[in-house]
Amino acid sequence: DAGVIQSPRHEVTEMGQEVTLRCKPISGHNSLFWYRQTMMRGLELLIYFNNNVPIDDSGMPEDRFSAKMPNASFSTLKIQPSEPRDSAVYFCASRWHLETSVETQYFGPGTRLLVL
Amino acid sequence: AQTVTQSQPEMSVQEAETVTLSCTYDTSESDYYLFWYKQPPSRQMILVIRQEAYKQQNATENRFSVNFQKAAKSFSLKISDSQLGDAAMYFCALSGTYKYIFGTGTRLKVLA
Repeated sequence: DAGVIQSPRHEVTEMGQEVTLRCKPISGHNSLFWYRQTMMRGLELLIYFNNNVPIDDSGMPEDRFSAKMPNASFSTLKIQPSEPRDSAVYFCASRWHLETSVETQYFGPGTRLLVL
Repeated sequence: AQTVTQSQPEMSVQEAETVTLSCTYDTSESDYYLFWYKQPPSRQMILVIRQEAYKQQNATENRFSVNFQKAAKSFSLKISDSQLGDAAMYFCALSGTYKYIFGTGTRLKVLA
């Protein structure tokens, strides 16, 4: 089975440019999560979706960040304009959400973003 | 508020020996789940083991086992017969209904 797929795997861009990160969750999963990982702040939850609807975006750092999930098999995280402090590894994760239990989150390989 | 604390930033173990990584947590929920994830240098986050809070029996997965002390809110990971491939960052995580809360991680070094 294909796991969570993220693209691109690496992105180098210049400050001020728009960056779009993409994620394809595991087929059948109905919850999707975006995380950011840095040395200074560790692993931070940015936003999560349930059944394509954003449930909690309180972790999104500022208005420069936006995320969408137009359908069950695709999500994007956009940074516009990008800044050097956005340099990090961005992970997408998905799981099957049930009201009666908590299923395991499965992570994608991450996108390593460098903003110069 | 839910919190997860990993008080050991780094640990070392000799190959073939046993090591225990500590994790404490706090939650007001009665139903929750606990996880250990491994992150090798490739950065991929890999599930190692999970524990349902309502289960008294400690989870085991081959060489990996947990010591779950619900009253003490402690969830430690024991790695037996350590191998060079076990070298990685290990994250403890707590899950309620939706979100996972991750600890800051413990870097495990395996010495040949």
